[in-house]
Amino acid sequence: DAKTTQPTSMDCAEGRAANLPCNHSTISGNEYVYWYRQIHSQGPQYIIHGLKNNETNEMASLIITEDRKSSTLILPHATLRDTAVYYCIVRVAGSQGNLIFGKGTKLSVKP
Amino acid sequence: DTGVSQDPRHKITKRGQNVTFRCDPISEHNRLYWYRQTLGQGPEFLTYFQNEAQLEKSRLLSDRFSAERPKGSFSTLEIQRTEQGDSAMYLCASSYGGQSGEQYFGPGTRLTVT
Repeated sequence: DAKTTQPTSMDCAEGRAANLPCNHSTISGNEYVYWYRQIHSQGPQYIIHGLKNNETNEMASLIITEDRKSSTLILPHATLRDTAVYYCIVRVAGSQGNLIFGKGTKLSVKP
Repeated sequence: DTGVSQDPRHKITKRGQNVTFRCDPISEHNRLYWYRQTLGQGPEFLTYFQNEAQLEKSRLLSDRFSAERPKGSFSTLEIQRTEQGDSAMYLCASSYGGQSGEQYFGPGTRLTVT
């Protein structure tokens, strides 16, 4: 079973920041938080991952709380093309194992 | 490098027929994964290869399913005697296996069993 909890759906206005929360209260010390998204009818796409420090790349920012029990993915200026299902996954970095997906959060960006 | 590719993109078959899907991973990636996704659910793991060795299989992978990666490059997933419950999107992913370990997914093959 997935080790994360996410809201089923969220709306965001185009051009505004989208903040997607994720709870992972049972995360282990060597587990990273990964975010993927899946645009309709496409395969999942890697977004970002982090251990305990905040991370930023060209797609998004990841904010992890100090106790590591929750995190937030931030899309700073959401566009209509960011409409997708966003998955938060915890796993040991570099592990050989598969990803365990939950149902994710359906983000709808509206004009 | 054009990313992970899968063929065909869509397959419609009648119950009881056999089907085979192909996945071509990113060329330097040594790890290859198969997932299945049904409507409204996240992808579910089926099996995983490191080079040509099949290292893990999910209990979802019944004996009607078989996967191969003969030369450690492309992989095939075969479903024998298809059932309507096999209708799903079949996704392939590959990874290099370094510290970050992120997986890159193909577009998937959508199977419809009538």
